Amino acid sequence: DAGITQSPRYKITETGRQVTLMCHQTWSHSYMFWYRQDLGHGLRLIYYSAAADITDKGEVPDGYVVSRSKTENFPLTLESATRSQTSVYFCASSEGATEQYFGPGTRLTVT
Amino acid sequence: DQQVKQNSPSLSVQEGRISILNCDYTNSMFDYFLWYKKYPAEGPTFLISISSIKDKNEDGRFTVFLNKSAKHLSLHIVPSQPGDSAVYFCAASFNKLIFGTGTRLQVFP
Repeated sequence: DAGITQSPRYKITETGRQVTLMCHQTWSHSYMFWYRQDLGHGLRLIYYSAAADITDKGEVPDGYVVSRSKTENFPLTLESATRSQTSVYFCASSEGATEQYFGPGTRLTVT
Repeated sequence: DQQVKQNSPSLSVQEGRISILNCDYTNSMFDYFLWYKKYPAEGPTFLISISSIKDKNEDGRFTVFLNKSAKHLSLHIVPSQPGDSAVYFCAASFNKLIFGTGTRLQVFP
């Protein structure tokens, strides 16, 4: 199906575990983004990528790792999950740095 | 420091009336502004945008106004419908998008 998908949609993990959230888009958009949504903070940018093999930090990158070996995929890895990383994570893509198209989100709970 | 602020966490409006959602920003370098709408358990969806060279943009029931001197933008929804009930995020762009914290709009019959 065309669009942007995220998997898993829900994930429960334990503190200290490594977790990878997947994001896939079919539009061949150059830009891809990872945000987290928390009460009182809105959407905060974690990492973004302007093209394959080009990534850059956003506002809250600590504790996260990204890679972009293919244009269509942009996985986000929590190397050692902490309770403060409990959040809803959204992936987005765009052709420029403005209008972005969001995936359905992944709700992550770290216990 | 919050560069994009939505000071009203919630707004309740009767169906058929006007909904006005407000957003303030601090960075004069922002050159593009957007509104997104978000339903529960879904990702945000793009609603309407405005360039900093304009002061108004209209799309059907939705109009965005930009007051650069006041660093303020607003979204007007006329007439409001129950299906408009959602969380609305404003966002401002200068290389990257910076989002506000959102306003929950409830439209009641």
